[in-house]
Amino acid sequence: DQQVKQNSPSLSVQEGRISILNCDYTNSMFDYFLWYKKYPAEGPTFLISISSIKDKNEDGRFTVFLNKSAKHLSLHIVPSQPGDSAVYFCAAGGTGNQFYFGTGTSLTVIP
Amino acid sequence: NAGVTQTPKFQVLKTGQSMTLQCAQDMNHEYMSWYRQDPGMGLRLIHYSVGAGITDQGEVPNGYNVSRSTTEDFPLRLLSAAPSQTSVYFCASSYSFPDTQYFGPGTRLTVL
Repeated sequence: DQQVKQNSPSLSVQEGRISILNCDYTNSMFDYFLWYKKYPAEGPTFLISISSIKDKNEDGRFTVFLNKSAKHLSLHIVPSQPGDSAVYFCAAGGTGNQFYFGTGTSLTVIP
Repeated sequence: NAGVTQTPKFQVLKTGQSMTLQCAQDMNHEYMSWYRQDPGMGLRLIHYSVGAGITDQGEVPNGYNVSRSTTEDFPLRLLSAAPSQTSVYFCASSYSFPDTQYFGPGTRLTVL
């Protein structure tokens, strides 16, 4: 059973607007969360992370929010740029030396 | 720094053939892992290693073997390829768990 879920396979946003990508998890033992970005024919690249002791982490245009009670995290991209068009994966890990990845959300930023 | 390298980039096998996917990193990372990416399934962990001589199974280990004789290399072996192993395979490494993982460019494998 999928422990990390990204329920939106795709998302389209106008350039300059906010992109919000969502991720839900089922295992309450997860305490470290990451977002990766992937372009076609390339490996995923790290974007931003958050640990369970925080509820928000910012890095430039990217902000990750964590709601532990709802087992939900989201990635906000403001403002969205055409170069942000890619597949975004969330991943969660705990004490078991394993990260579990979601199925990905394909973001298209329309110029 | 070459980062994480994977060879080959593409491979076509027939059912029952064996092969080894190579992965190397030059960042002195202790943690290395192998994932497969399938449509609609995201990235699923096959095997991982927390250091030379230590390996463990991930979510989908069946049909795959690994070994870690050096810090730099983490090969993935398919002993008898099956069509269900058609996928894109990514190797990743990090200093330790749960540090940020650096991914290789991937190997696209087709099993006929």
